[in-house]
Amino acid sequence: DVQMTQSPPSLSASIGDRVSITCRASENIARYVNWYQQRPGKAPRLLIYGATSLHTGVPSRFSGSGSGRDFILTISSLQREDFAAYFCQQSHSVPLAFGPGTRLDV
Amino acid sequence: QVQLQESGPGLVKPSETLSLTCSVFGASVSSKDYYWTWIRQSPQKGLEWIAYVYHTGSADYNPSLKTRVTISIDTSKNQFSLKLTSVTARDTAVYYCARVGNNGDYVWFDPWGQGTLVTVSS
Repeated sequence: DVQMTQSPPSLSASIGDRVSITCRASENIARYVNWYQQRPGKAPRLLIYGATSLHTGVPSRFSGSGSGRDFILTISSLQREDFAAYFCQQSHSVPLAFGPGTRLDV
Repeated sequence: QVQLQESGPGLVKPSETLSLTCSVFGASVSSKDYYWTWIRQSPQKGLEWIAYVYHTGSADYNPSLKTRVTISIDTSKNQFSLKLTSVTARDTAVYYCARVGNNGDYVWFDPWGQGTLVTVSS
């Protein structure tokens, strides 16, 4: 099974900061990674699919990069509504699996 | 706009069967373009994919749950369902249903239902 890890587990930042969150797969999964945002009490929301493709309606300050085992989600200039939890997810093989998440706080 | 809505009991007794239904609005579960899936989230295990189903009834399961899970689809009601047998406290979680989107190369979960908390307790 492909396992996903994320770092850091939590991150403190300020409005306007550029932040990056890292996700690592236990084996080579090419670009089969998605990223989700989850605000408190809400369902996860798709941000990025295929490692780099921005989902419809997602602000362009979000971007994804990477391939193989290492992936990065970058937020170029933090807005207030971006303070949330972020999860990566591999879609390479069953069982589909998520990372443990990164909590982004003010 | 596609919306999904989970429904079912919020409290299930240990050893009994958890049953949830996902109603889909603004899209058809009969579509050949999508699969439909269940995911759960708990503080202990995080987000965990459970299973997905196609309009034909073809399904795939997380091996860690496969012996206890059944996912099914009812195209006449535009719904799909989850049954999880022999539940324990470890099955306490928020259960989400979602659509599995794809572009021929990649698949993803979008949109999600709002989630429903299921507590396993006597």
